[in-house]
Amino acid sequence: GAGVSQSPRYKVAKRGQDVALRCDPISGHVSLFWYQQALGQGPEFLTYFQNEAQLDKSGLPSDRFFAERPEGSVSTLKIQRTQQEDSAVYLCASRGLRETQYFGPGTRLLVL
Amino acid sequence: GESVGLHLPTLSVQEGDNSIINCAYSNSASDYFIWYKQESGKGPQFIIDIRSNMDKRQGQRVTVLLNKTVKHLSLQIAATQPGDSAVYFCAEIPWSSYKLIFGSGTRLLVRP
Repeated sequence: GAGVSQSPRYKVAKRGQDVALRCDPISGHVSLFWYQQALGQGPEFLTYFQNEAQLDKSGLPSDRFFAERPEGSVSTLKIQRTQQEDSAVYLCASRGLRETQYFGPGTRLLVL
Repeated sequence: GESVGLHLPTLSVQEGDNSIINCAYSNSASDYFIWYKQESGKGPQFIIDIRSNMDKRQGQRVTVLLNKTVKHLSLQIAATQPGDSAVYFCAEIPWSSYKLIFGSGTRLLVRP
């Protein structure tokens, strides 16, 4: 079946603008994760959902970051009042019954 | 296109040779280890995984070795091909956790 998809693939925002990033996980995957990847670094954990419940948001860098998964499938990561330091690749991953997390292509966010 | 790893350690190999990529992990309580391949502009792609109760696991052209004594993980790629050029990340999941903790990554360049 189809893998994890993310949209948009690229987003350019002006500082102070709000953005919303979408993730469509693999069908049937209960677990969904968001990671942030800075240039030249490995991905870093942001938040974790099991179905619609957000069980861990310890990695969100500030209260400007908000994630939701209201029906237990599609998830949205929202960043309010974007800052230049928010520029990064935002990766979504989903997981089925095994531990393996499968990643989407990412959304590349550039804040000017 | 975008470069995934601007300042990563680089391994350069001749096409057809074997490659060995090394990784030191941090948490002795880690239970599950994964190697991901990330090409420029794409999300991490699962290659192979191994549990802490194993020392070696083989896939198609790839082998992962785990040395828990020195907290070391390696990925061996046989008969390296140009399509193997990418950044390779090891990742660990501590026991009873779900968060992927990524290593710093290694860029593999395959010379024709």
